[in-house]
Amino acid sequence: QQPVQSPQAVILREGEDAVINCSSSKALYSVHWYRQKHGEAPVFLMILLKGGEQKGHEKISASFNEKKQQSSLYLTASQLSYSGTYFCGTEAPNNAGNMLTFGGGTRLMVKP
Amino acid sequence: DTEVTQTPKHLVMGMTNKKSLKCEQHMGHRAMYWYKQKAKKPPELMFVYSYEKLSINESVPSRFSPECPNSSLLNLHLHALQPEDSALYLCASSQIPTGRNQPQHFGDGTRLSIL
Repeated sequence: QQPVQSPQAVILREGEDAVINCSSSKALYSVHWYRQKHGEAPVFLMILLKGGEQKGHEKISASFNEKKQQSSLYLTASQLSYSGTYFCGTEAPNNAGNMLTFGGGTRLMVKP
Repeated sequence: DTEVTQTPKHLVMGMTNKKSLKCEQHMGHRAMYWYKQKAKKPPELMFVYSYEKLSINESVPSRFSPECPNSSLLNLHLHALQPEDSALYLCASSQIPTGRNQPQHFGDGTRLSIL
């Protein structure tokens, strides 16, 4: 079952912050986050594993609440390069292999 | 530039044609994937190969036929496709098939148009 992402779209000014949420109705092993720019490949950002750990990369960080089966991606002091569509991908028990189910995506536009 | 190379980048074919998509990676990854992505939609998993064996087929029509000749190469053979098959086809790879800390590395995709 596809995870639900919110919001579907967000427009920011450079330097503003944003939060993207990803929720699943199934118990999860992990949550992956990817960013895809128009006409390009999805690019891996980070993986959140069970344990509620928070990971970060520069000004992008994420958390995973395994009790609520929710993950949030935090974009701090956004840059123009952050524009694109963000997808969460969830791994659930009983999946054969490393099988990801992607959410519907959040389109982020950062304006000068 | 991505480390997963897909060819061709664009393909236009008629419904009676036979063509193949190619994907190559030299990262030593032992899991490879085919996804289909329609405009403004997320990637949808089609096939998973683990150690060169087909491990997942997500109920894909038989007009799509995957092949994994070796650990670096993945093909998708196309035959008698329908207009609704027009999409971006993405290939991805990961280090090992199982495990929960394995990111997938995507190629730039092949944009397929069926006339």
